[in-house]
Amino acid sequence: NAGVTQTPKFQVLKTGQSMTLQCAQDMNHNSMYWYRQDPGMGLRLIYYSASEGTTDKGEVPNGYNVSRLNKREFSLRLESAAPSQTSVYFCASSEPVYEQYFGPGTRLTVT
Amino acid sequence: GDSVTQMEGPVTLSEEAFLTINCTYTATGYPSLFWYVQYPGEGLQLLLKATKADDKGSNKGFEATYRKETTSFHLEKGSVQVSDSAVYFCALTRRGEKLTFGTGTRLTIIP
Repeated sequence: NAGVTQTPKFQVLKTGQSMTLQCAQDMNHNSMYWYRQDPGMGLRLIYYSASEGTTDKGEVPNGYNVSRLNKREFSLRLESAAPSQTSVYFCASSEPVYEQYFGPGTRLTVT
Repeated sequence: GDSVTQMEGPVTLSEEAFLTINCTYTATGYPSLFWYVQYPGEGLQLLLKATKADDKGSNKGFEATYRKETTSFHLEKGSVQVSDSAVYFCALTRRGEKLTFGTGTRLTIIP
């Protein structure tokens, strides 16, 4: 099993450009999450999906959209990137009550 | 709302030293508590967890006890190794889904 996979691993964008971060899990989990990690801030939840077909905002959703394409895949879209969105993005999946499994992360720089 | 406060880093110790990383939380009800570890360039991995008061989680020589009276979940290890160098995150969940993270503590072990 690959667990949770994310693409790309690294990305550099110019202000105003758009991009989609991809996430897939092969553990048949119902719940999936997107976090961003910034120095001194820990991980902050952007959006989550408790099950296929549902999505909800987390702590810091502004500037992002998500799509739960099917049970396996949960994508994060930046429509118009801003320097404040420079961060490391992590996708995770879980069954409720149990531990979350994290992907390796995408390091995004917006110039 | 829920919050997790953990020891500011960075922490630098010599190999075989005793480790404590403090974590306290604020949450109503009975949250589940977790310690996650992040090795350089990787995503987060669950290190240990405790789901009710007085439970002790343990893994790889690390231990933490859920203390409801002091709202704490301090991480300890009796003899650290160079391979324990990583960032450690304390986290909680109240409803078994969304995690609330502390800001992380960077640990460096020198030979």
